[in-house]
Amino acid sequence: GAVVSQHPSRVICKSGTSVKIECRSLDFQATTMFWYRQFPKKSLMLMATSNEGSKATYEQGVEKDKFLINHASLTLSTLTVTSAHPEDSSFYICSARGTGLAGSDTQYFGPGTRLTVL
Amino acid sequence: QKEVEQDPGPLSVPEGAIVSLNCTYSNSAFQYFMWYRQYSRKGPELLMYTYSSGNKEDGRFTAQVDKSSKYISLFIRDSQPSDSATYLCAMRPYSGAGSYQLTFGKGTKLSVIP
Repeated sequence: GAVVSQHPSRVICKSGTSVKIECRSLDFQATTMFWYRQFPKKSLMLMATSNEGSKATYEQGVEKDKFLINHASLTLSTLTVTSAHPEDSSFYICSARGTGLAGSDTQYFGPGTRLTVL
Repeated sequence: QKEVEQDPGPLSVPEGAIVSLNCTYSNSAFQYFMWYRQYSRKGPELLMYTYSSGNKEDGRFTAQVDKSSKYISLFIRDSQPSDSATYLCAMRPYSGAGSYQLTFGKGTKLSVIP
């Protein structure tokens, strides 16, 4: 139980394009989803927290117009990196917590998406 | 002082050894404590989850929480090469706004040598 998927697992794009990353909770309803960024050999950096049906809450220093988060349903959240630049290249990981038998205690993480902007 | 301190290692042990990983914290409001395992280029995987003080055992893994010392540990018995990964401690308070946000340690990189 408490499985979270992410798609795509890897994406390479040209500078200036937008990239959408999907995060899905497969066997529970995710009332809250979190988006993290991780640089090589570094710990997780929380970017934003989103509750289903509400606007995301962004951490200090994270540009909300650049990293658009939508949590429109209890099983899906999306992160769109708009006008991506090479400095946006990173490993993006989502996590989810929710209700039901699984997922309510803590955060369960997706497998991550590696974004490379050329 | 950072909220959560974790020795980044790297820690290298021979196969079969007992591994001890630790974190200390400063925020007395933390009530829930977790250990995640992260393989290279993968998302963190929840290993152990404990509430308040005490011990919890799951197979080869034992998690200990000592709230009086603000100190948590993860023990791995009979370590295997497949245990080679980065281990992240994480914790959160009991309630309040944003209480499900986790505060992470920086992670300890473990290598188990065959």
